Amino acid sequence: EPEVTQTPSHQVTQMGQEVILRCVPISNHLYFYWYRQILGQKVEFLVSFYNNEISEKSEIFDDQFSVERPDGSNFTLKIRSTKLEDSAMYFCASSGQGNEQFFGPGTRLTVL
Amino acid sequence: GQNIDQPTEMTATEGAIVQINCTYQTSGFNGLFWYQQHAGEAPTFLSYNVLDGLEEKGRFSSFLSRSKGYSYLLLKELQMKDSASYLCAVRDRNTGGFKTIFGAGTRLFVKA
Repeated sequence: EPEVTQTPSHQVTQMGQEVILRCVPISNHLYFYWYRQILGQKVEFLVSFYNNEISEKSEIFDDQFSVERPDGSNFTLKIRSTKLEDSAMYFCASSGQGNEQFFGPGTRLTVL
Repeated sequence: GQNIDQPTEMTATEGAIVQINCTYQTSGFNGLFWYQQHAGEAPTFLSYNVLDGLEEKGRFSSFLSRSKGYSYLLLKELQMKDSASYLCAVRDRNTGGFKTIFGAGTRLFVKA
């Protein structure tokens, strides 16, 4: 069964460093999303992406964040200068023509 | 703004039925999702409602009343593996596109 994959599973970085989180959505899906979940808190929407551009973003998704689909398979989230409060689980999701969003296993980001 | 309320925790007995309620307020309602999330894992899709009424899928059913801003998830024949958090999420349409807003989740404990 096709699934969304994410790498790395765990990323540790120093405050102020740039990180790139990678996702491979399900191959025939057209809509891509990033969410984050701070430990013990709710899942928060960051951004949705369709047709090679951002279709919606939340207040969290400020100038420090960017997304890219560099080729036909990868979908990346970049955080330019990480802060302690960026420590969270980051989930990528994708959907096709239907409404079901398939989530990847997540990348746990720890900012020291 | 958007607001989603659901109970923090519920406990039920194996084999029983449990109903998890969700109320929401949103400006551009475009559907309501229920997800299951086991600790340390990604959310997995359970159901989607956009029209009023009941959607049934095996042991899980979901109900929506748009006029009341209300949904519930019904789980029948509870099993121990159903112990998890259940996330109510609303898809909200803005001028640019869609964003999915999650509630804080209801942690369900199934006891023998």
